[in-house]
Amino acid sequence: QLQLQESGPGLVKPSETLSLTCSVSGGSISTSPYFWGWIRQPPGKGLEWIGSFAYTGSTYYNSSLKSRFTVSADTSKNQIFLEVTSVTAADTAVYYCTRVMTGSTFDYWGQGTLVTVSS
Amino acid sequence: QSALTQPRSVSGSPGQSVTISCTGTSNDVGTYNYVSWYQQHPGKAPKLMIYDVTKRPSGVPDRFSGSRSGNTASLTISGLQAEDEAGYYCCSYTAGPKYVIFGGGTKLTVL
Repeated sequence: QLQLQESGPGLVKPSETLSLTCSVSGGSISTSPYFWGWIRQPPGKGLEWIGSFAYTGSTYYNSSLKSRFTVSADTSKNQIFLEVTSVTAADTAVYYCTRVMTGSTFDYWGQGTLVTVSS
Repeated sequence: QSALTQPRSVSGSPGQSVTISCTGTSNDVGTYNYVSWYQQHPGKAPKLMIYDVTKRPSGVPDRFSGSRSGNTASLTISGLQAEDEAGYYCCSYTAGPKYVIFGGGTKLTVL
């Protein structure tokens, strides 16, 4: 059974860089044709797709989030990463790691990790 | 296109059917067959309920069904049960730089 587990700092100061890791077990992130994505949800609000990554290196981002977000992976460790630079309070959210089945279908989700941006 | 449009809330009694709509445009819901629906209970991660407009993943009860007419997709839940009370989000692939957009979410209350 595929499992995804996010990990991160929990609390980040404004203007700093946030780094999150998603550890995947029960399957390889190098398996075609899947992508791996990050989605976030501010407290009490809806879901927002951040970006998706394939082991081939193809990466797609939500253009509304500009260029502060970077999705990458380490296939040897079976991990997906998300880096967010220059964070603000608006980046406070639960961040989910997902597997992307086709197009915009997210079939496996991690349990999510809450990140709070505060001084 | 900012977000797909969903009603903020819907409700129904046990055993009844409810339908949640998701309105987009010809750049997303109306053109691409990549419309999906997610159920989210409080404090939990979303769960895939419908994908490719009408397909149901293994393990999802057949009480859940998806459809589309023009630029509006719909999720219908028949034979409502108490455990169906949750938030529901639609999602679509979209042309242009955003690639993926979600609806604002609908809270389903089982009376």
